[in-house]
Amino acid sequence: NAGVTQTPKFRVLKTGQSMTLLCAQDMNHEYMYWYRQDPGMGLRLIHYSVGEGTTAKGEVPDGYNVSRLKKQNFLLGLESAAPSQTSVYFCASSYADRGSYGYTFGSGTRLTVV
Amino acid sequence: AQSVTQPDIHITVSEGASLELRCNYSYGATPYLFWYVQSPGQGLQLLLKYFSGDTLVQGIKGFEAEFKRSQSSFNLRKPSVHWSDAAEYFCAVGVNTDKLIFGTGTRLQVFP
Repeated sequence: NAGVTQTPKFRVLKTGQSMTLLCAQDMNHEYMYWYRQDPGMGLRLIHYSVGEGTTAKGEVPDGYNVSRLKKQNFLLGLESAAPSQTSVYFCASSYADRGSYGYTFGSGTRLTVV
Repeated sequence: AQSVTQPDIHITVSEGASLELRCNYSYGATPYLFWYVQSPGQGLQLLLKYFSGDTLVQGIKGFEAEFKRSQSSFNLRKPSVHWSDAAEYFCAVGVNTDKLIFGTGTRLQVFP
């Protein structure tokens, strides 16, 4: 089925470990986004990309890096995980222009940092 | 700065009752507005969107929303709630040309 696929779905990390979250979309969307969702805070934008080879910072970029080497993939990296990065991470993609067609979301990655 | 406010953190309604979820936005230009729904353990699904034209927009699952520019509001409504509507609902505004700003969400609980 067409859509946005996130891997892994669950992960537990120790403080200081690194990991990469993968987002893949097969809808030929130009724009891709990484959000984190925390109780009472809604979704906050970490980084986003408006096309292959481009990235930009969102609202809460510190402690994360991203890459978009291929149009269909958007990777989110944590170089040295901290307990404050315990969250549910959502990837989304859209056509261009203010996400005007709305986003398609992945099902999320639940990350716990101990 | 652009922002979205959902003043109700948690709403409880009885099945069959009507529903209105509030959303207010702050944005200098003409906004693109969205409502999303998130079922437990799932990603977000688009319910409806407003770009321009008719200020009353229809969405999936029997939901509708009305854009009121004078009040900077985009409230979500449903005439008769079903138990399956229990979920978290997010309002969002399109900013510039490339991203959405989300509200903090409203959790809907439905009693039989």
